Amino acid sequence: GNSVTQMEGPVTLSEEAFLTINCTYTATGYPSLFWYVQYPGEGLQLLLKATKADDKGSNKGFEATYRKETTSFHLEKGSVQVSDSAVYFCALITNSGNTPLVFGKGTRLSVIA
Amino acid sequence: DGGITQSPKYLFRKEGQNVTLSCEQNLNHDAMYWYRQDPGQGLRLIYYSQIVNDFQKGDIAEGYSVSREKKESFPLTVTSAQKNPTAFYLCASRGGGTNTGELFFGEGSRLTVL
Repeated sequence: GNSVTQMEGPVTLSEEAFLTINCTYTATGYPSLFWYVQYPGEGLQLLLKATKADDKGSNKGFEATYRKETTSFHLEKGSVQVSDSAVYFCALITNSGNTPLVFGKGTRLSVIA
Repeated sequence: DGGITQSPKYLFRKEGQNVTLSCEQNLNHDAMYWYRQDPGQGLRLIYYSQIVNDFQKGDIAEGYSVSREKKESFPLTVTSAQKNPTAFYLCASRGGGTNTGELFFGEGSRLTVL
């Protein structure tokens, strides 16, 4: 079956540090990959996505590259801010219409000034 | 503005009571989903609906029920059969028929059983 594995948190970084959150996946077919972010007390919102191998998704300084050879979609940011403190979820969906996304367990990031 | 509205934001329930969480969307999306979020466990799928008058069980459907009588609405009932209902519940919708479709989430409903 399809699954997503994320690095366990929490991750605590100082402001302006480099961020990497690892995500690997197992899927049948050719999945699309997503990173969602959840700020405290809110629902999830899409951060970035990639729909085919070697695509790079980017938004708000975050980037992730779809690596088919390593089945990975690691999230990176060169310089984090306190406002980036949130829970980050990696997710995938295979090309099967409106079937549900499969989510990882989430990684909590805390950025301290 | 288009979006998903969940209500109530906070809900308290006594043991043995059924409660219904509301989810309404004005995005004209066909598919709607209910997830449960517990600390350290990520999101777990309860039920989903790909079209009006049709829905499927997710991974943890026991103790829950849903209906999809209108495209805009997908209410979730947490029944007394749900052994541990205290959690944060998230509703989402998705448009289009391809795998590039983004999920749009509501703000969530936090249910506490007293």
